[in-house]
Amino acid sequence: QQQVKQSPQSLIVQKGGISIINCAYENTAFDYFPWYQQFPGKGPALLIAIRPDVSEKKEGRFTISFNKSAKQFSLHIMDSQPGDSATYFCAASMSFGNEKLTFGTGTRLTIIP
Amino acid sequence: DAGVTQSPTHLIKTRGQQVTLRCSPKSGHDTVSWYQQALGQGPQFIFQYYEEEERQRGNFPDRFSGHQFPNYSSELNVNALLLGDSALYLCASSLAGPGGNTIYFGEGSWLTVV
Repeated sequence: QQQVKQSPQSLIVQKGGISIINCAYENTAFDYFPWYQQFPGKGPALLIAIRPDVSEKKEGRFTISFNKSAKQFSLHIMDSQPGDSATYFCAASMSFGNEKLTFGTGTRLTIIP
Repeated sequence: DAGVTQSPTHLIKTRGQQVTLRCSPKSGHDTVSWYQQALGQGPQFIFQYYEEEERQRGNFPDRFSGHQFPNYSSELNVNALLLGDSALYLCASSLAGPGGNTIYFGEGSWLTVV
């Protein structure tokens, strides 16, 4: 049973545009929601993470929006650049650090000039 | 500061064989988790080790086993390899305790079973 659903599966955005990736979770015990960026042949790298006590977190061009009542969270990439082309995974866990991460299925983002 | 290091980076095994993958956690980290990532999929949690003991286990058969050493490094062993075990195996490390500890991933070990 997939506990974190991610959409879209793939996304093409023009350079300078806004990329938006959405995730929904089922387990209300989840309380830590990170986003990972993965380039081909590389391991996932933490991009940004949020806890459910805030509705939004921004780091540079990357913003997470969180809707606890809807059990949804999303990643917004502002001013998208070709270097942002990668696969993005949302994830969730029940506490910081040592609990297992449950990942979404990934979104392949392509930024075109 | 070395991050999470894994070895080997690539390997090819024959169905039925056994494989051992190795991981050194990020400096200062004491908890190691292993994930399996099939092509085009998100990583799936295999198990986690802390204080040399398996703390949590995902939905993987007993063919998958592990070990953590006193220096916090870890091994993943897979016995009786199946074609379906072909995947990227990721090691992740973190520091036990509260406070928003970040989970860091290594580059992974690509396993191909033929």
